[in-house]
Amino acid sequence: GAGVSQTPSNKVTEKGKYVELRCDPISGHTALYWYRQSLGQGPEFLIYFQGTGAADDSGLPNDRFFAVRPEGSVSTLKIQRTERGDSAVYLCASSLMQGFMDGYTFGSGTRLTVV
Amino acid sequence: QKEVEQNSGPLSVPEGAIASLNCTYSDRGSQSFFWYRQYSGKSPELIMFIYSNGDKEDGRFTAQLNKASQYVSLLIRDSQPSDSATYLCAADGDSGGYQKVTFGIGTKLQVIP
Repeated sequence: GAGVSQTPSNKVTEKGKYVELRCDPISGHTALYWYRQSLGQGPEFLIYFQGTGAADDSGLPNDRFFAVRPEGSVSTLKIQRTERGDSAVYLCASSLMQGFMDGYTFGSGTRLTVV
Repeated sequence: QKEVEQNSGPLSVPEGAIASLNCTYSDRGSQSFFWYRQYSGKSPELIMFIYSNGDKEDGRFTAQLNKASQYVSLLIRDSQPSDSATYLCAADGDSGGYQKVTFGIGTKLQVIP
């Protein structure tokens, strides 16, 4: 696609529920990143995929968070047993492997609210 | 803990003035530095990147990098009300570059008509 697409744009869920957030990167971009941005903060790194594999998942806060990218394109961020503290905007970004100095192209984000 | 420090602002400048946004970083291994603009309720948009000491100009924007001082800045000339946004400074890691970028908290810029 023309840009990074994230769905849903908004998600309200009850504490303890499971949610999935989807990211469709720019066509041909092999690198995919998930970030989380809380109110008044900068984006915080969660996980980076190069192709199908998670090359760096050191930013995932705990084992309730998991992400996959089975075919090297679309990625899904999964959050189990959601907590109110998980409320944030979840941003996905993609980049060309060769173009790392060009920075990221972010999607419009998914605003997650846990009530 | 790799950190990127910014003053959260707000920084208020009159229309037509130069806005100066500053950032420091802790990781001496960082090689690439980025400035993103983020309008309220929107996602960050890349406006500049720099990886060599000195200045880099693009239209009304100039990014400045001083690796010895671990300092990055963004100058916006002829500031317009449409420049009012939060400006995020970011730096890559020392692991080879592009896998992980650390962002600052962002500086809120207000351009007063």
